[in-house]
Amino acid sequence: DVKVTQSSRYLVKRTGEKVFLECVQDMDHENMFWYRQDPGLGLRLIYFSYDVKMKEKGDIPEGYSVSREKKERFSLILESASTNQTSMYLCASSLLSWRLDNEQFFGPGTRLTVL
Amino acid sequence: GENVEQHPSTLSVQEGDSAVIKCTYSDSASNYFPWYKQELGKRPQLIIDIRSNVGEKKDQRIAVTLNKTAKHFSLHITETQPEDSAVYFCAALRGAQKLVFGQGTRLTINP
Repeated sequence: DVKVTQSSRYLVKRTGEKVFLECVQDMDHENMFWYRQDPGLGLRLIYFSYDVKMKEKGDIPEGYSVSREKKERFSLILESASTNQTSMYLCASSLLSWRLDNEQFFGPGTRLTVL
Repeated sequence: GENVEQHPSTLSVQEGDSAVIKCTYSDSASNYFPWYKQELGKRPQLIIDIRSNVGEKKDQRIAVTLNKTAKHFSLHITETQPEDSAVYFCAALRGAQKLVFGQGTRLTINP
């Protein structure tokens, strides 16, 4: 059973703070993703990683960075948190497969509030 | 790049009736279309998917249809039950590994 965990369910930070969101998966998946979920906008991809130390920008990377030092762990960093980054953040992982139809397994989400 | 539009944004049906959610995509090269269900307070989970070489796929009460020419695909839920109440997301595969999601549909089943 795939398990994707995120370091916090709820987080409250102040404007300008540096924020770290951690995601860990235990199924040896190559791919890891960070999304933000906002009402009416669906899931939007922030960053994607297909291997250790590899990263690729998604659709809304501005204001974010990521780190993948180990295969099982993918971190999302808000360099200087702003109120418009208040959102639900979802991490996901999937196998790197030639089949191209890989299920993405999601973590429980971190609801971040920036005051 | 790929763009996915999903309609309606909210849908309310009587228990036992059918529900249909529709999505359109822009990139004709997209070849994989999954549907995720997110119950209140829980994580999204895959419920059904379809590849571009298939026109329809069914799994018990849920089915997905794909029209490649028109670039749209739909989720059909028959004999709806209270546990079907959730937010549903369609998606299209862009590139090798990345999904583009629709805006989501909040489905409410009324007893």
